[in-house]
Amino acid sequence: DADVTQTPRNRITKTGKRIMLECSQTKGHDRMYWYRQDPGLGLRLIYYSFDVKDINKGEISDGYSVSRQAQAKFSLSLESAIPNQTALYFCATSDFTGGYNEQFFGPGTRLTVL
Amino acid sequence: QQQVKQSPQSLIVQKGGISIINCAYENTAFDYFPWYQQFPGKGPALLIAIRPDVSEKKEGRFTISFNKSAKQFSLHIMDSQPGDSATYFCAASYSNYQLIWGAGTKLIIKP
Repeated sequence: DADVTQTPRNRITKTGKRIMLECSQTKGHDRMYWYRQDPGLGLRLIYYSFDVKDINKGEISDGYSVSRQAQAKFSLSLESAIPNQTALYFCATSDFTGGYNEQFFGPGTRLTVL
Repeated sequence: QQQVKQSPQSLIVQKGGISIINCAYENTAFDYFPWYQQFPGKGPALLIAIRPDVSEKKEGRFTISFNKSAKQFSLHIMDSQPGDSATYFCAASYSNYQLIWGAGTKLIIKP
């Protein structure tokens, strides 16, 4: 079974709709992240959480919100989707072990906003 | 100062050749430099990483070269194979803070 899972894997929605992307992990990591990937722009951090009570904005948090329901679950919401939020979204986890910040990624959610 | 600049954006290499991807950074506080590999339809996965106290790290056909004075690091793929075709990202972080990512390089290995 995959250590980091994301649902849905693909989603097509319309402008103005509220969308939630979900992430679950079985790695037991405290840290979780949401990224979006756009061609030529690489990975940009939306939000990150170092534990259940610690949530931080990343580079491009406008238009997004998150919820850390438990150590294993981290959801990303688009309150009112717009076309330029069309992208590939990744959830990742990490654990500060031995001073390294290796991140483990889920398979991604491809979101299209029409 | 937080940026990591990666080049080239895309690269085509013949099978058996050497693939080289470069990254440059400004923040001298960075103390961890990983490279991630991403295949189509998958999330990125850690390939190899280096700390600034060494100038080179090798794992199989993959080598990171690190030049602290120039604030540059590069990934070398020796004897490149079609299975190495993927997108490669460099990144950097400090004090185990979040990773700062390069824009990615799409590598194609021609048979």
